[in-house]
Amino acid sequence: RKEVEQDPGPFNVPEGATVAFNCTYSNSASQSFFWYRQDCRKEPKLLMSVYSSGNEDGRFTAQLNRASQYISLLIRDSKLSDSATYLCVVRGPAGGFKTIFGAGTRLFVKA
Amino acid sequence: DGGITQSPKYLFRKEGQNVTLSCEQNLNHDAMYWYRQDPGQGLRLIYYSQIVNDFQKGDIAEGYSVSREKKESFPLTVTSAQKNPTAFYLCASRQTGELVGGANVLTFGAGSRLTVL
Repeated sequence: RKEVEQDPGPFNVPEGATVAFNCTYSNSASQSFFWYRQDCRKEPKLLMSVYSSGNEDGRFTAQLNRASQYISLLIRDSKLSDSATYLCVVRGPAGGFKTIFGAGTRLFVKA
Repeated sequence: DGGITQSPKYLFRKEGQNVTLSCEQNLNHDAMYWYRQDPGQGLRLIYYSQIVNDFQKGDIAEGYSVSREKKESFPLTVTSAQKNPTAFYLCASRQTGELVGGANVLTFGAGSRLTVL
């Protein structure tokens, strides 16, 4: 089993749609969780950190379920500019330096 | 502006040659990382360094070497022992210790794309 697993893509959605990505992680001692966005042939950039209470940033909502070891990202009112690969990222136990990246989920938003 | 600079952006290498990829950061971050990304795949950790003059192997260190003589710099050498070096190489850094208001996130450079001819 991979340490971080994501929904296989690609997701093809029309503009204005709501789309959800899921991610599971295997190490129950993991402490920090993130979603990164990566555009084609570019570096990953932080989209948002994920907190236990859930957090929202504009059209983006992230949720963490520690009991199920599950992370989600919801994008509302999709824009063409949201087309990218979304990476689920998990960092090891407190004090640990190992950061694990999921393989990513590709999103295409169509006009 | 603070950030991470990687060079060169594109590099072509003949088989059997060693090449060195540069990574410089002015973020005053303690920890630095090298990742490799292949098409359609996630990032895999090559080496990381928590402090100057110290570094550890990641998951795919064979055929690579690093040094950390200065806090700002973490160059990666791709040696001829790396059998399949064509890939996108990403350098990252982050602050360690506690930060008020959030976790310590990784910041990436723009990457170096290495092609073996």
